[in-house]
Amino acid sequence: DAMVIQNPRYQVTQFGKPVTLSCSQTLNHNVMYWYQQKSSQAPKLLFHYYDKDFNNEADTPDNFQSRRPNTSFCFLDIRSPGLGDAAMYLCATSRIHDNQPQHFGDGTRLSIL
Amino acid sequence: GENVEQHPSTLSVQEGDSAVIKCTYSDSASNYFPWYKQELGKGPQLIIDIRSNVGEKKDQRIAVTLNKTAKHFSLHITETQPEDSAVYFCAASMFQGAQKLVFGQGTRLTINP
Repeated sequence: DAMVIQNPRYQVTQFGKPVTLSCSQTLNHNVMYWYQQKSSQAPKLLFHYYDKDFNNEADTPDNFQSRRPNTSFCFLDIRSPGLGDAAMYLCATSRIHDNQPQHFGDGTRLSIL
Repeated sequence: GENVEQHPSTLSVQEGDSAVIKCTYSDSASNYFPWYKQELGKGPQLIIDIRSNVGEKKDQRIAVTLNKTAKHFSLHITETQPEDSAVYFCAASMFQGAQKLVFGQGTRLTINP
């Protein structure tokens, strides 16, 4: 009965090779978020979608992009992964209209070879 | 922007004792303070949250207190159990529209049987 589903759970890519991580939700929430969490650190917000409106954090590198083709799905694209991009990537959702808290998926752990 | 400091970074308590984790925030405009528990290999799970119009909230063994004047909030876990062992994160944001959570650095809580 997972509500925020991230695939794959583990992803290995080569240095510089584009990679896409996916997130889907069954909650029908209108906001979807992507966080980066490096080892033993706190999650850090990269960007979020409010419906179809994309909102980038000021310090998110240009290497990171996102797509949200519909309410249920959101993708994180890393155009040219570097060794410093190895991390856990967390997707979360929330619904604005009744002030519900964020729900997180279990993340995708990305390794760079 | 918002900055959240969390202490201690590690905490070890005997089973049955209480655990307290403290956070301070910098932006007086923040009005929403959730606490998340993260187990190994999983995403953060909301355990309790509080809004700035409330000073204290309790849910069974877990309580959160908020001091808006001093800009700090605390998590209290009573009668700790081995399954409480995890990393705990506090966070702060404006609960208005999308929740741009800023997390504290995390506390690794270990419950010793």
